[in-house]
Amino acid sequence: DTAVSQTPKYLVTQMGNDKSIKCEQNLGHDTMYWYKQDSKKFLKIMFSYNNKELIINETVPNRFSPKSPDKAHLNLHINSLELGDSAVYFCASSQKWGYQQYFGPGTRLTVT
Amino acid sequence: AQSVTQLDSQVPVFEEAPVELRCNYSSSVSVYLFWYVQYPNQGLQLLLKYLSGSTLVKGINGFEAEFNKSQTSFHLRKPSVHISDTAEYFCAVSRINAGGTSYGKLTFGQGTILTVHP
Repeated sequence: DTAVSQTPKYLVTQMGNDKSIKCEQNLGHDTMYWYKQDSKKFLKIMFSYNNKELIINETVPNRFSPKSPDKAHLNLHINSLELGDSAVYFCASSQKWGYQQYFGPGTRLTVT
Repeated sequence: AQSVTQLDSQVPVFEEAPVELRCNYSSSVSVYLFWYVQYPNQGLQLLLKYLSGSTLVKGINGFEAEFNKSQTSFHLRKPSVHISDTAEYFCAVSRINAGGTSYGKLTFGQGTILTVHP
């Protein structure tokens, strides 16, 4: 059983489009996160939700909007995609805020 | 704010040789320290973590790391590597709050690509 899953695994789209990436965890964790890994492999946190409440919102363009319908899901919606959004996006979860994080397999987004 | 510097972007090594991947961090407050491994086209997997106690931490797959507070380092070591250890390794820190628990946000280094040659 996959603990943290993301869909899709690969996403190729054109500039200006709107797309969503879905994340689900079956670990019963309270906290979920989104990280972005750029072309230089630099990983940086974007958002974190604890019990469906947004607790971290780093300096991210407001074209990015996370949505947590329940504790097991944290989706990332991106409007008006730009070339610079091309990256690998990782979802993660932890039992509680501040506990060990478990990462999903990543979604490679390519904007052309 | 915290920052993490991994001193080597790439480390080539022959199979069965020892390896050390270096990590230095900067923080004005106490931190927890982590090493993650990313195999090709996969997500990140926790190798080991330092929260408190003994400064020598043992992790999975025969890896260990030593926390050196005076040098603000957390270097990762393995005495004998295998081909299967070829991957990218990330050092990360998480700030500790007044309650003694992690702040939760991980700050990562730039990664070190370990390539093990036969």
